[in-house]
Amino acid sequence: DAMVIQNPRYQVTQFGKPVTLSCSQTLNHNVMYWYQQKSSQAPKLLFHYYDKDFNNEADTPDNFQSRRPNTSFCFLDIRSPGLGDAAMYLCATSRPRTGVDEQYFGPGTRLTVT
Amino acid sequence: GQNIDQPTEMTATEGAIVQINCTYQTSGFNGLFWYQQHAGEAPTFLSYNVLDGLEEKGRFSSFLSRSKGYSYLLLKELQMKDSASYLCAVLDSNYQLIWGAGTKLIIKP
Repeated sequence: DAMVIQNPRYQVTQFGKPVTLSCSQTLNHNVMYWYQQKSSQAPKLLFHYYDKDFNNEADTPDNFQSRRPNTSFCFLDIRSPGLGDAAMYLCATSRPRTGVDEQYFGPGTRLTVT
Repeated sequence: GQNIDQPTEMTATEGAIVQINCTYQTSGFNGLFWYQQHAGEAPTFLSYNVLDGLEEKGRFSSFLSRSKGYSYLLLKELQMKDSASYLCAVLDSNYQLIWGAGTKLIIKP
């Protein structure tokens, strides 16, 4: 029944050691999003894909990269994690501009940087 | 700039009613969402308003006034499981979701 799946749920990485977070969806939604959320803060949009069109937010650090090899999968690569990158990373999907167009979230990956 | 304001924290009693307010200033408006987020979990969709007025869905209702840039989420017959953060988010003219920081709702017995 799972619609947006994120793996792993908890990830520990060392300072400066590259890490990849993954997201998959069974909803066949065109749009996929990556958010970073720190404690008691609003989710911060990092990137989104409209189909294969990649949209990078202006203030997303270069340290963050993303790949979407097909409709179902999306990856977030953090090239050199710093202590400030410790956060919950949320993947979400939506249908493009139809009806309510709500975003469906995965359970998130909590990243710890040691 | 774009801005969503909502109270940081609210406390209410089990069985009571609570209203969580949200004001917004965004470039364009294509609807307002309320999401519920339990600690350590992902946000889940509660409601969507694009026209003025009240939308009722069980114990939860959401109100919108576009002219005032204002919305509220009304929770009735509060249960302990309603303890969570409630996030207000506005879809702007570019169909980007602008998020508030959330209101942490604490329910006391």
